[in-house]
Amino acid sequence: GESVGLHLPTLSVQEGDNSIINCAYSNSASDYFIWYKQESGKGPQFIIDIRSNMDKRQGQRVTVLLNKTVKHLSLQIAATQPGDSAVYFCAERGGSEKLVFGKGTKLTVNP
Amino acid sequence: GAVVSQHPSWVICKSGTSVKIECRSLDFQATTMFWYRQFPKQSLMLMATSNEGSKATYEQGVEKDKFLINHASLTLSTLTVTSAHPEDSSFYICSARAPLGGGAPDTQYFGPGTRLTVL
Repeated sequence: GESVGLHLPTLSVQEGDNSIINCAYSNSASDYFIWYKQESGKGPQFIIDIRSNMDKRQGQRVTVLLNKTVKHLSLQIAATQPGDSAVYFCAERGGSEKLVFGKGTKLTVNP
Repeated sequence: GAVVSQHPSWVICKSGTSVKIECRSLDFQATTMFWYRQFPKQSLMLMATSNEGSKATYEQGVEKDKFLINHASLTLSTLTVTSAHPEDSSFYICSARAPLGGGAPDTQYFGPGTRLTVL
C-alpha cells in the first residue's frame, strides 16, 4: 500500500548551518510531492512541492530533491534559523487527490 | 491567498455530547476539503474527503455515523463529532484543495486545527 516514511525522527542543527531532512516513499506511482512545516499547535504550512517529472526545485532558502530511482525525497534548508524549528512532513499524492503523510521530522535549531 | 480557517480553535466538552467544527476557505472556492486527525507526536491521518454537494468519502476504519461531515457550500465544510468520548480527544485539521497557479497541480492548504478535549 501507499506509505511515506522518514529516515530520522529528530534533527538538531546550529543556527546558520544547512539542514537536510529526508523522506522515503514506497509508491512508485506517486506523481506529486509536498513538504509541509508544522509548528506546535498549528496546522501544516506549505513549503515547497515537486512533480515527479522533476528532480530538483528551489524556493527561498529551500530546495527539494527527488530521486525516483530509490524513491527518496529530501528538503534542504539553507542558513537555518531559529524560526525554522518545527516538525516537517513530506506528503505524496499517488494517483488520487488524497495525500499520504510521512511520520515527520522534528527540527531543532540551536542558537 | 489560499487561507483556510477553522472554528473553534479549541473546545472542551463532556463525554456523550456532540461537537461541531467548521472549516472555511476564505479567499477561494474549494470543491474538495479534507479532514485529518492528529494525535500527539504523530502524523496526520486522513479521516474523510468532503465534496461539495455530495456525500463525504470516509477512510477505512473511520465511522461515518460518528464523524458527520457536511460540505454545504464551496467555502464551508463541517465535521461533527457525535457522542464524543475521551478517546476522540485529538487535534482535528481540515484542508482545502486550491490551485497554485501557473499550471502547477492543485495542492492542499491547511487550517490552523481544532484541539478537542473530551472529559
